[in-house]
Amino acid sequence: GDSVTQMEGPVTLSEEAFLTINCTYTATGYPSLFWYVQYPGEGLQLLLKATKADDKGSNKGFEATYRKETTSFHLEKGSVQVSDSAVYFCALSDRWEGYQKVTFGTGTKLQVIP
Amino acid sequence: GAVVSQHPSRVICKSGTSVKIECRSLDFQATTMFWYRQFPKQSLMLMATSNEGSKATYEQGVEKDKFLINHASLTLSTLTVTSAHPEDSSFYICSASKSSGVRGYNEQFFGPGTRLTVL
Repeated sequence: GDSVTQMEGPVTLSEEAFLTINCTYTATGYPSLFWYVQYPGEGLQLLLKATKADDKGSNKGFEATYRKETTSFHLEKGSVQVSDSAVYFCALSDRWEGYQKVTFGTGTKLQVIP
Repeated sequence: GAVVSQHPSRVICKSGTSVKIECRSLDFQATTMFWYRQFPKQSLMLMATSNEGSKATYEQGVEKDKFLINHASLTLSTLTVTSAHPEDSSFYICSASKSSGVRGYNEQFFGPGTRLTVL
């Protein structure tokens, strides 16, 4: 079945540091890939997405490129801010027995310190 | 657009009672709605998928009689936790999907979640 593996956290960075959160996936079909962000006590918000190989998703300074050859979708940001502190989930969406199913990674907690 | 709400945001109940959680798509018609459960410091686990007017499809290991899902309209789905016990305490999140027009891709929009505490 489909699965998503992302690096374990927590990740602690100083403000303005470079961020990379690794994500790899296995899927039987041609999935769409997502990064979601969850702030404390809140639901998930879509951060960015890519629907086919070599697509780059970007939003709020975050980027991730759909790499089919390495089955990866690593999240990067050049300069993190304290407000970026949250849990980040990598996910894929694939058709499963006729309906859409999203598979999530375990989440990576990011803490940015001033 | 594409806003999903949940009500209540937080509920505390006694063991043995039933709790209903509502999920609404506010500005679009959702072809499919999903219910997830999130344990502390863990990922989201899909519980069930429901389409309007049809029975929900439950994931393996999820008790149908325990977690009743009703998808009454294209904008409303409800999850009822029957005879709740402390082990049912969790963060429940719904999402709603509308067709994006791209083959094989229907983006899901997530609600803010409901924190259930069973005493």
